[in-house]
Amino acid sequence: QQQVKQSPQSLIVQKGGIPIINCAYENTAFDYFPWYQQFPGKGPALLIAIRPDVSEKKEGRFTISFNKSAKQFSLHIMDSQPGDSATYFCAARGKDMRFGAGTRLTVKP
Amino acid sequence: NAGVTQTPKFQVLKTGQSMTLQCAQDMNHEYMSWYRQDPGMGLRLIHYSVGAGITDQGEVPNGYNVSRSTTEDFPLRLLSAAPSQTSVYFCASSYFAGEGYTFGSGTRLTVV
Repeated sequence: QQQVKQSPQSLIVQKGGIPIINCAYENTAFDYFPWYQQFPGKGPALLIAIRPDVSEKKEGRFTISFNKSAKQFSLHIMDSQPGDSATYFCAARGKDMRFGAGTRLTVKP
Repeated sequence: NAGVTQTPKFQVLKTGQSMTLQCAQDMNHEYMSWYRQDPGMGLRLIHYSVGAGITDQGEVPNGYNVSRSTTEDFPLRLLSAAPSQTSVYFCASSYFAGEGYTFGSGTRLTVV
């Protein structure tokens, strides 16, 4: 049973579009919510992270929106580029770190 | 270069064989962990360690052993390999539990 549920499984957008990836969790003890980006053949790399005391965090073109009452958080990528094509993972930390199943994003030129 | 080093990068095992996947980090991170990545299932936690001499089980620990005798190293042992253990294995480390993980480049393991 996955503790962090991620959707969609895959996503295709045109260049300049705003892909949105959603995650939901059940464990209210989670206190740190990162997003990771993974390119083929590489390990995941930390993209952006948020703590539950804020509702939004922005770093460059990447924004996390966090809804504590709904136990949901999402990643928005503004002005998406073909170079953003990768697999994205959400995660949540309790006593250890649990990951969602991943979203394969394709940004078409 | 500072980071997490995993060896080997590729490995083929026969069913029943044992082997150790190596993981070393030079960032003085206390927290280290092992994940396996399978299509459609994301990253699943196998074992983790909060410091030398301390390890704990994650979501999918069966068939794997770990030990942490030094801060730098966190090897993962497969006791008797099974085809279900065919996967890509990632080691990760951080100063605090999972916060700002640095991942290794992975070990692709095939069990035949």
